[in-house]
Amino acid sequence: KQEVTQIPAALSVPEGENLVLNCSFTDSAIYNLQWFRQDPGKGLTSLLLIQSSQREQTSGRLNASLDKSSGRSTLYIAASQPGDSATYLCAVNSGGYQKVTFGIGTKLQVIP
Amino acid sequence: GAGVSQSPSNKVTEKGKDVELRCDPISGHTALYWYRQSLGQGLEFLIYFQGNSAPDKSGLPSDRFSAERTGGSVSTLTIQRTQQEDSAVYLCASSAQPLVTDTQYFGPGTRLTVL
Repeated sequence: KQEVTQIPAALSVPEGENLVLNCSFTDSAIYNLQWFRQDPGKGLTSLLLIQSSQREQTSGRLNASLDKSSGRSTLYIAASQPGDSATYLCAVNSGGYQKVTFGIGTKLQVIP
Repeated sequence: GAGVSQSPSNKVTEKGKDVELRCDPISGHTALYWYRQSLGQGLEFLIYFQGNSAPDKSGLPSDRFSAERTGGSVSTLTIQRTQQEDSAVYLCASSAQPLVTDTQYFGPGTRLTVL
């Protein structure tokens, strides 16, 4: 059974700092890995999707890497802003085409 | 275009009552997913629909939970004889393509509180 762990559970940083969120998974046989953002009272918004054959994906100030063999992914956020404050979820697709396992998330607070 | 919508946004019910949660996926999306997010827990997969069929019901926690989808569009998740442990946020998502190539688009969720 796939298990996804995210560290740290919570993070508070001053505005402008670069930061890294970590995700690890136990079964390396995955189709893809995805990072989502969840704002309070709202659904999830996809940030980056990395296919199993890829090593990283970039979107603006966000960069996600994938090391399938070691079961790890990182989400790098450059020059953090207060608007980045949210919970970031890592999700791994490994249980077949349509089943995704989510981590509990990292709650990020960027202080102005 | 419109995203995934869910109703109601909040539902408070008494233990033992039945509840229905509704999901309107993005138009044209053939795949639809229900998840449950409990406090301090990751999202828990409940059920997946491809069209009107549910090839994977393995995540439904008990036979009190059921779901249907009609016309390849709207889906309803029904919880019978609700229990306090059913309290959670229920999220619906849809996708146009299989998840190996595409992402899911999530609705805002329904927060269910069972008193």
